[in-house]
Amino acid sequence: QKEVEQDPGPLSVPEGAIVSLNCTYSNSAFQYFMWYRQYSRKGPELLMYTYSSGNKEDGRFTAQVDKSSKYISLFIRDSQPSDSATYLCASTSNDYKLSFGAGTTVTVRA
Amino acid sequence: GAVVSQHPSWVICKSGTSVKIECRSLDFQATTMFWYRQFPKQSLMLMATSNEGSKATYEQGVEKDKFLINHASLTLSTLTVTSAHPEDSSFYICSAPQGYTDTQYFGPGTRLTVL
Repeated sequence: QKEVEQDPGPLSVPEGAIVSLNCTYSNSAFQYFMWYRQYSRKGPELLMYTYSSGNKEDGRFTAQVDKSSKYISLFIRDSQPSDSATYLCASTSNDYKLSFGAGTTVTVRA
Repeated sequence: GAVVSQHPSWVICKSGTSVKIECRSLDFQATTMFWYRQFPKQSLMLMATSNEGSKATYEQGVEKDKFLINHASLTLSTLTVTSAHPEDSSFYICSAPQGYTDTQYFGPGTRLTVL
């Protein structure tokens, strides 16, 4: 069993829609949670970083963590075609080694 | 934000040759760096942890004699794929933690094609 499971998608939404991405994790030692965006043939780019349960907002992006259910979410409001990419959730404990979800490919249609 | 670079961005080599990939932290020092491999349409798989001044730590199933890692300075780690074979063709990405939260920043990746 993978430590981080992610809804594989793919996801296709019209421009302006809300994108909802979800992951679950199994390792209770995980304390830090991240969302990365990866464009084709590029390295992952950090979008959101959080370490506590609750919501964290940054512009059009909201990360949500529920440690009691081991559930991680990312919401993208007012989605744009430039948001089309693969989104990866990741978690880690104190050893800095990241465990990644499989990634969800999102396409925002103009 | 912190910047991590990789060189080369794309390399093609013949089977049996060795290829070196460099990972540099441009505006911060990194005593630890990580090397990942990513196959098409798959997620990143951690290969090894590169430690400045000491030996690298490899994940289970990764051959340390095939994937040589050298952390030469606080800003440079190198991955050498020795005696490369077509099955080693992949996207190799490095990362380095930076800041008080040790947030991981990734390089742009190196695409290796072994003919």
